[in-house]
Amino acid sequence: DAKTTQPPSMDCAEGRAANLPCNHSTISGNEYVYWYRQIHSQGPQYIIHGLKNNETNEMASLIITEDRKSSTLILPHATLRDTAVYYCIVRVAGGSQGNLIFGKGTKLSVKP
Amino acid sequence: DVKVTQSSRYLVKRTGEKVFLECVQDMDHENMFWYRQDPGLGLRLIYFSYDVKMKEKGDIPEGYSVSREKKERFSLILESASTNQTSMYLCASSPNWRSPLHFGNGTRLTVT
Repeated sequence: DAKTTQPPSMDCAEGRAANLPCNHSTISGNEYVYWYRQIHSQGPQYIIHGLKNNETNEMASLIITEDRKSSTLILPHATLRDTAVYYCIVRVAGGSQGNLIFGKGTKLSVKP
Repeated sequence: DVKVTQSSRYLVKRTGEKVFLECVQDMDHENMFWYRQDPGLGLRLIYFSYDVKMKEKGDIPEGYSVSREKKERFSLILESASTNQTSMYLCASSPNWRSPLHFGNGTRLTVT
């Protein structure tokens, strides 16, 4: 699996959009981008994933650049409960291996 | 909502004890996974299973074994616990290889 690079930490004001970047310059054509987050003392929670088109669900939006070498997770109106570590992962979907390689992620702090 | 339940939230065991960590999922998922999470090392895959009685080694299987006798239950076994197995253990499941993983809330194991 390709590796990802994320900033170690970010701050965001409550109510504002949080934009979390991720670089995955060695991504292969059949690898998806997944985002998870982990709130302290809980297991990781799936947020969203995509291949090349932008995606949106009730939690977030995922913007993938045209060359697929980077992506941005957008939390449109961050709340204090969005404070967590956010992981960007690339993974082959449909392969026989379940290995998600979690990097160190971005610690997002939402401040009042 | 998918529910992945780990039997214990906190566990304290002595060196040399045999330890069983249990995980149950209620959504008839094919795939189940065991990870451990350590500060600075992220999540590392120990074992995974893609069917009843089937198992595959992950990145760090040494010192562990697994059992999957029923589809909904995946057990992690520490044959002889050691202090370096003190960690947060996370179980996850997914319906197939294309779908994201759903995690339990983890078991924090301390081996003294």
